[in-house]
Amino acid sequence: SQQGEEDPQALSIQEGENATMNCSYKTSINNLQWYRQNSGRGLVHLILIRSNEREKHSGRLRVTLDTSKKSSSLLITASRAADTASYFCATDGTSGSRLTFGEGTQLTVNP
Amino acid sequence: DAGVIQSPRHEVTEMGQEVTLRCKPISGHNSLFWYRQTMMRGLELLIYFNNNVPIDDSGMPEDRFSAKMPNASFSTLKIQPSEPRDSAVYFCASSPGQGATEAFFGQGTRLTVV
Repeated sequence: SQQGEEDPQALSIQEGENATMNCSYKTSINNLQWYRQNSGRGLVHLILIRSNEREKHSGRLRVTLDTSKKSSSLLITASRAADTASYFCATDGTSGSRLTFGEGTQLTVNP
Repeated sequence: DAGVIQSPRHEVTEMGQEVTLRCKPISGHNSLFWYRQTMMRGLELLIYFNNNVPIDDSGMPEDRFSAKMPNASFSTLKIQPSEPRDSAVYFCASSPGQGATEAFFGQGTRLTVV
């Protein structure tokens, strides 16, 4: 079963706007990761946030983590058409062995 | 490093045939994962190796599926006999630490069983 659940399932925005995607999970975690997948390609790691962190930045990406609500959000600022992809959150569980992915958010950035 | 290398990229086979998917992880990585991706079920973890030893194979759907990692630079996922419902994209990923640190994915093998 999927540990993480993203919402929305699909998001369409205009270039330059910000995109926010959310992820909820069920069990305790050591860390949460976000990945990106372009159509027909493998997943690419974007950012990892540990359970004792609340916010992390990487370029135009901002990730937040609320362990009390078991949720995370990924914000992409000043979006570009090249950001069009599916975005997945992944959690590890406290055993640290299984990296379990959500169902993903399909982001479309219109030029 | 060329990244995680999977072969073949595409495989079309008839129901009942044996299928072997191959993966070369990034050199020096200790953990290797096999995932399956379908529209219906999303990304499913099939099996996870650490230091060439299978740690968690609870995601392997049934006895028709088997995975091996004979050494640190090679892993196989075998389906015998294959069925149409096995059609999916199979991804191999490796990571430098034990368990779920950052994972590096291969480009996947698109399997079609007719």
